[in-house]
Amino acid sequence: ILNVEQSPQSLHVQEGDSTNFTCSFPSSNFYALHWYRWETAKSPEALFVMTLNGDEKKKGRISATLNTKEGYSYLYIKGSQPEDSATYLCASFNAGKSTFGDGTTLTVKP
Amino acid sequence: DVKVTQSSRYLVKRTGEKVFLECVQDMDHENMFWYRQDPGLGLRLIYFSYDVKMKEKGDIPEGYSVSREKKERFSLILESASTNQTSMYLCASSSASGSGRYEQYFGPGTRLTVT
Repeated sequence: ILNVEQSPQSLHVQEGDSTNFTCSFPSSNFYALHWYRWETAKSPEALFVMTLNGDEKKKGRISATLNTKEGYSYLYIKGSQPEDSATYLCASFNAGKSTFGDGTTLTVKP
Repeated sequence: DVKVTQSSRYLVKRTGEKVFLECVQDMDHENMFWYRQDPGLGLRLIYFSYDVKMKEKGDIPEGYSVSREKKERFSLILESASTNQTSMYLCASSSASGSGRYEQYFGPGTRLTVT
């Protein structure tokens, strides 16, 4: 993998559903992976910073895992709520700059 | 509280005009970045800067230049605006030291329309 890729591009779920999406990144020269949440009309905000293979991070109902050897990270949302609706971006950080994926746009219907 | 501000939320310019987008951060961050975001394309890096008067090209620098005369301010310049530069422009900053986290803090964005 040469670029950062995210899937799916968009996701529509019902309130209460659990969901997950994927970020794939180049595993060579890995330094850090960042997850951001970007709500409509707001600025992207960092959710997680992940650096070690096997890292698991959690913030409330949202969690993330990291596999640096195979170059992927999963973001999980348990019991989705309408306020979780946003675009979730992952970015691979290396050599002072970040390369972003195109994002996964999550819409949670009440 | 961390803050990155951008000079305008919305801007409309004519083709051929010189356009300045200003970004100011109050966190004493060393690193600053300019991105553009287009539908379906995510964030693409235009230029970044590690320090005052230093600049590095990102992935799509053509048609843009930057200026960083003070640590807190990073300007993006469109020398001669074209319609294909109609986009959302986001500025960000990050610390270069300490925890090694390097997460970026973003401004609210400037939606530029070139007619």
